[in-house]
Amino acid sequence: QSVLTQPPSVSAAPGQKISISCSGSTSDIGRNYVSWYQHLPGTAPKLLIYENNKRPSGIPDRFSGSKSGTSATLGITGLQTGDEGDYYCGAWDTSLSGGRFGGGTKLTVL
Amino acid sequence: EVQLVESGGALVQPGGSLRLSCVASGFTFSNYGINWVRQAPGQGLEWVSSIDGSSVIILHADCVKGRFTISRDNAKNSVFLQMDSLRAEDTALYYCARGPFHNLDVWGQGTTVTVSS
Repeated sequence: QSVLTQPPSVSAAPGQKISISCSGSTSDIGRNYVSWYQHLPGTAPKLLIYENNKRPSGIPDRFSGSKSGTSATLGITGLQTGDEGDYYCGAWDTSLSGGRFGGGTKLTVL
Repeated sequence: EVQLVESGGALVQPGGSLRLSCVASGFTFSNYGINWVRQAPGQGLEWVSSIDGSSVIILHADCVKGRFTISRDNAKNSVFLQMDSLRAEDTALYYCARGPFHNLDVWGQGTTVTVSS
């Protein structure tokens, strides 16, 4: 069972912007970094955001991350059809000494 | 090119064993921790195990503790996942990923484990 809570799905039209929330607790998001991953069909997961709000080289600034307390948010602007897929947040859980992912959010670009 | 390649997945009966391998190339392997992450059919990502660059810090998820063992051989640029007492619920696509958990920046394409009689 996922400890981090994400909405199951989100949708918007091309060119629009969306945000995906990730809710946790004081033992995971509250005291550790959050990362975000894009998982497109038939491919390996791809790191989009690390350490709450940093983008790896090659990730466009259409993608952004933020964290406040025990919650985090992924923002995507200028939606493209190629953005369709599943998005996961992740954070270390200090009390369990283990990694935790959210349940995933399916993004549909209408 | 920085790359991770998994292998070893197969169809195995409940109670059986498998050893997954993850071979790295394109970077100084011993400087990085490696994680195993799995995705069961129709489900989300699930962290399984992690090992640091020196094999000092080794951690496993509660659901596999006592059954799975992660190890590495830096001379061979390889990480292994020994999976014993396999259960149907271990059926999944298993990925290896580089880095600390908060920065899994390189992923392999995955290897499929199916536990069924």
